[in-house]
Amino acid sequence: GENVEQHPSTLSVQEGDSAVIKCTYSDSASNYFPWYKQELGKRPQLIIDIRSNVGEKKDQRIAVTLNKTAKHFSLHITETQPEDSAVYFCAANRGSTLGRLYFGRGTQLTVWP
Amino acid sequence: NAGVMQNPRHLVRRRGQEARLRCSPMKGHSHVYWYRQLPEEGLKFMVYLQKENIIDESGMPKERFSAEFPKEGPSILRIQQVVRGDSAAYFCASSPDVNSEKLFFGSGTQLSVL
Repeated sequence: GENVEQHPSTLSVQEGDSAVIKCTYSDSASNYFPWYKQELGKRPQLIIDIRSNVGEKKDQRIAVTLNKTAKHFSLHITETQPEDSAVYFCAANRGSTLGRLYFGRGTQLTVWP
Repeated sequence: NAGVMQNPRHLVRRRGQEARLRCSPMKGHSHVYWYRQLPEEGLKFMVYLQKENIIDESGMPKERFSAEFPKEGPSILRIQQVVRGDSAAYFCASSPDVNSEKLFFGSGTQLSVL
């Protein structure tokens, strides 16, 4: 199948708290897992990505973990700020071409000051 | 270095009309991908093109939709005889080659069908 499941669909946290968004995928051939942030009316912007030969990757307050056996991957945002409020999408590639992506349905993250 | 350019940003069409959406990839990029986003949903892959070639159109409806990426000029996504269900945001992304993992998206075209 081509489904990428993403949870939760909405997430509200207090400023300074951590936020975790989880995704599962079904295509065993997927080997590239990007995360995109989309503000209202704007383009999706790549914030972090991970390849299947890596279990974890970190970039300042953002980290992504991958469990290839279980076909799970997660986005972790620490010390959240109001500017982190947006819709976050996980994705996994289809087949061998990295640019053909299955997207999750998105998580609306709201960070309250 | 300009990013991926899409135009128009907003397009309004009546049912039965044609919609033409344009995408100019980043300089040096020869691979273009089109995605559609319905309200409150993720992006859905439609078609993948290289210059003068359609590589994968498995996500594009068989009827009324077509795409091209000519040797010169932008990539065009064409929707004939639009229906209300075609209303969505259409995003284009480009990459320099098939092994490049990072997709750069344009600002999208919001198509509204009346």
